[in-house]
Amino acid sequence: TQLLEQSPQFLSIQEGENLTVYCNSSSVFSSLQWYRQEPGEGPVLLVTVVTGGEVKKLKRLTFQFGDARKDSSLHITAAQPGDTGLYLCAGQLPADKLIFGTGTRLQVFP
Amino acid sequence: DTAVSQTPKYLVTQMGNDKSIKCEQNLGHDTMYWYKQDSKKFLKIMFSYNNKELIINETVPNRFSPKSPDKAHLNLHINSLELGDSAVYFCASSQVRSYGYTFGSGTRLTVV
Repeated sequence: TQLLEQSPQFLSIQEGENLTVYCNSSSVFSSLQWYRQEPGEGPVLLVTVVTGGEVKKLKRLTFQFGDARKDSSLHITAAQPGDTGLYLCAGQLPADKLIFGTGTRLQVFP
Repeated sequence: DTAVSQTPKYLVTQMGNDKSIKCEQNLGHDTMYWYKQDSKKFLKIMFSYNNKELIINETVPNRFSPKSPDKAHLNLHINSLELGDSAVYFCASSQVRSYGYTFGSGTRLTVV
């Protein structure tokens, strides 16, 4: 069974702190996507990384795809309360199958 | 102008009933999916359709039957509902070989 493990599972921090979320697997993915989900809504795509070693930046969010395309990380600089939510990584497998990670619930306090 | 819309948003029903969830996308995407999110927020793929053809059929009980009348619609019919079917069901769509899915806002199914 393919599995994407995310760590930490829960993260509770103060506004202004930095954080990193990790996404690890033994499977190789053609791409790795990160989503954020808020209560009562579906996941919303943040970024897709495709090339091993690729780094993408979206304002205060930095995403990295591992060299072997099995793992990824999400780093948030100077977290804000608006960053609160459930962060999900998802790996693209052959036959158009996208499997999701176990999720990281982030709470940022003012 | 919602990209992926699901109805209903909430569904409460008794064990043994049959129910359907509808999904429509106006993005022109070729592929549509059904995902199930459990109480621990884990999202698991159930089905995918590409241009009305079934592509992925995970180990889902055959009480669940997807139907795609055209590439913009993917409905999910569930027969003989069980307590364990309670979850949030998400419809999603993507363009084949593109790298990003668009999700609907989910249908919370509660079986009592």
